[in-house]
Amino acid sequence: QKEVEQNSGPLSVPEGAIASLNCTYSDRGSQSFFWYRQYSGKSPELIMFIYSNGDKEDGRFTAQLNKASQYVSLLIRDSQPSDSATYLCAVTGDYKLSFGAGTTVTVRA
Amino acid sequence: DVKVTQSSRYLVKRTGEKVFLECVQDMDHENMFWYRQDPGLGLRLIYFSYDVKMKEKGDIPEGYSVSREKKERFSLILESASTNQTSMYLCASSHPTRPPIQETQYFGPGTRLLVL
Repeated sequence: QKEVEQNSGPLSVPEGAIASLNCTYSDRGSQSFFWYRQYSGKSPELIMFIYSNGDKEDGRFTAQLNKASQYVSLLIRDSQPSDSATYLCAVTGDYKLSFGAGTTVTVRA
Repeated sequence: DVKVTQSSRYLVKRTGEKVFLECVQDMDHENMFWYRQDPGLGLRLIYFSYDVKMKEKGDIPEGYSVSREKKERFSLILESASTNQTSMYLCASSHPTRPPIQETQYFGPGTRLLVL
């Protein structure tokens, strides 16, 4: 079973700041990495995926992957109150996803 | 847009009842998944299916079974509901052969099940 660990929350950041979310995984053979956002009472929605080492940017979101260190992170720049949610890291290698427990982010206005 | 629907948003059942949770996707996805989500435990995979009539156990299959008679529909069955199966149940689907977003899973709205 793949293990996926996320930094414990909750994480509280002021509006406009950078929120940094971290995730480590145990299976060195993992190929694909995903970040999902889940608002309270809603289902997860995909916000980023990354396959290659390095950074991938999409708007205010940047995913960073380091396969040698088995580490993936998500940065949220210029955090907005609408970013307040739980962020789930997911890792796959054989069509199944293993999820971390999630990090809850609260953006203070 | 991918659409994954689940038969109920909220469900209340009694201990010992047989419970059916239905999931339908409209994007011709081969892969379908059932998860449960509990506070502090994240999403845990119950069962998944790569094709019609095919099923594979996930991490926590005990007390559950599944059925996939048609490609678009994946059912989760609680043979005899127990209080420890009170949870949020999430269905997801994915298409494994459409790069570059292969393996991306799309989730339904979830069914919140309460077993009394």
